[in-house]
Amino acid sequence: EDQVTQSPEALRLQEGESSSLNCSYTVSGLRGLFWYRQDPGKGPEFLFTLYSAGEEKEKERLKATLTKKESFLHITAPKPEDSATYLCAVQADGNTGKLIFGQGTTLQVKP
Amino acid sequence: EAQVTQNPRYLITVTGKKLTVTCSQNMNHEYMSWYRQDPGLGLRQIYYSMNVEVTDKGDVPEGYKVSRKEKRNFPLILESPSPNQTSLYFCASSSRPRGLGKEANYGYTFGSGTRLTVV
Repeated sequence: EDQVTQSPEALRLQEGESSSLNCSYTVSGLRGLFWYRQDPGKGPEFLFTLYSAGEEKEKERLKATLTKKESFLHITAPKPEDSATYLCAVQADGNTGKLIFGQGTTLQVKP
Repeated sequence: EAQVTQNPRYLITVTGKKLTVTCSQNMNHEYMSWYRQDPGLGLRQIYYSMNVEVTDKGDVPEGYKVSRKEKRNFPLILESPSPNQTSLYFCASSSRPRGLGKEANYGYTFGSGTRLTVV
């Protein structure tokens, strides 16, 4: 069964304290792995799509990496405005419309 | 502006009264989906559509209907809402992957959400 597990469930950081969020997945052939940011009461905001092991993508203080079993979202020197819930989702080969989400990691960055 | 538009943003209704939540996208996307988000359960897919007149069930389709008569619209229909359908609903759309790996070049855009309460 296709599955996505994110850890930790919640993370508190001081401003400037770098860390990583984990997304472990089990899928029968990966078509794409997606990272989203979600603010309370709002729709998920697209960050990255990763397609194959070894791929990396960056956007400002965020960097996403992918292996055959997991993806990491590295946050370098976070700021309070980075506080949000970060969601990981996978799409399997063949299931071109189905997207499976993890539970998310809620990040709080304190000034 | 490229966007997915859902209406209404908030809706309170009574058990059994049919309702429709509309979703429209202006990006000419082939793929569209509906999700519900509940505390502790995360985002779960209700239905998805890969093109006009092509729809399929997601993980939690019971009690919902969809239709895809036009490429831009994908309404979610609750024919007889019940309190357990109280949730935050999101519509999303994406272009069709153009190939494999990096060539696929696609990602999903989400709407702002519809908060539904069924009493």
